[in-house]
Amino acid sequence: EAAVTQSPRNKVTVTGGNVTLSCRQTNSHNYMYWYRQDTGHGLRLIHYSYGAGNLQIGDVPDGYKATRTTQEDFFLLLELASPSQTSLYFCASSDNFSQNTLYFGAGTRLSVL
Amino acid sequence: GQQVQQSPTSLVLQEGENAELQCNFSTSLNSMQWFYQRPGGSLVSVFYNPSGTKQSGRLTSTTVIKERRSSLHISSSQITDSGTYLCAMDANSGTYQRFGTGTKLQVVP
Repeated sequence: EAAVTQSPRNKVTVTGGNVTLSCRQTNSHNYMYWYRQDTGHGLRLIHYSYGAGNLQIGDVPDGYKATRTTQEDFFLLLELASPSQTSLYFCASSDNFSQNTLYFGAGTRLSVL
Repeated sequence: GQQVQQSPTSLVLQEGENAELQCNFSTSLNSMQWFYQRPGGSLVSVFYNPSGTKQSGRLTSTTVIKERRSSLHISSSQITDSGTYLCAMDANSGTYQRFGTGTKLQVVP
């Protein structure tokens, strides 16, 4: 069974704060993704990566950085958090691009006050 | 504009009733998937269904690529079916999957 682990599960920060969300997958998948989920918008892709050191932008990358340090680890960075980034964040992985199922983590709920 | 439209937005069923969830795509599609999200939880793939009909237990997915639509049929609904169902597609250009906004299903006794 594919395993994607996110941490922390919940995070509260203030406007202008610095936040790092972590994701680790243990399935040797090539692709990893960061999504945000908001009411009325569904899931929107922020960044994705197809291997260590690689980074691609998604549909809503503004205000976010990301880094893929190893095949297993993918981090999402909010360097100057804003209230508009309050959301539920999901990490996912897949073996190949788009044509294989995505395996999702449990999500991180972030509140920016 | 929104490339993936789902309907209905929400649905309440009595236990035992059937449901039909729809997903329509504004562009040509290469493949699509249905996901289930339990309340407050993560997403799990239900079907990967590029075309045709697939069945798993009480769930049936039918995708018609040339008509740019897919449906998810839930028969004899159960309370444990409650949650949000999302569809996702990737276009022929081979881009990453894009999600619809989901159908929130509530099954009541």
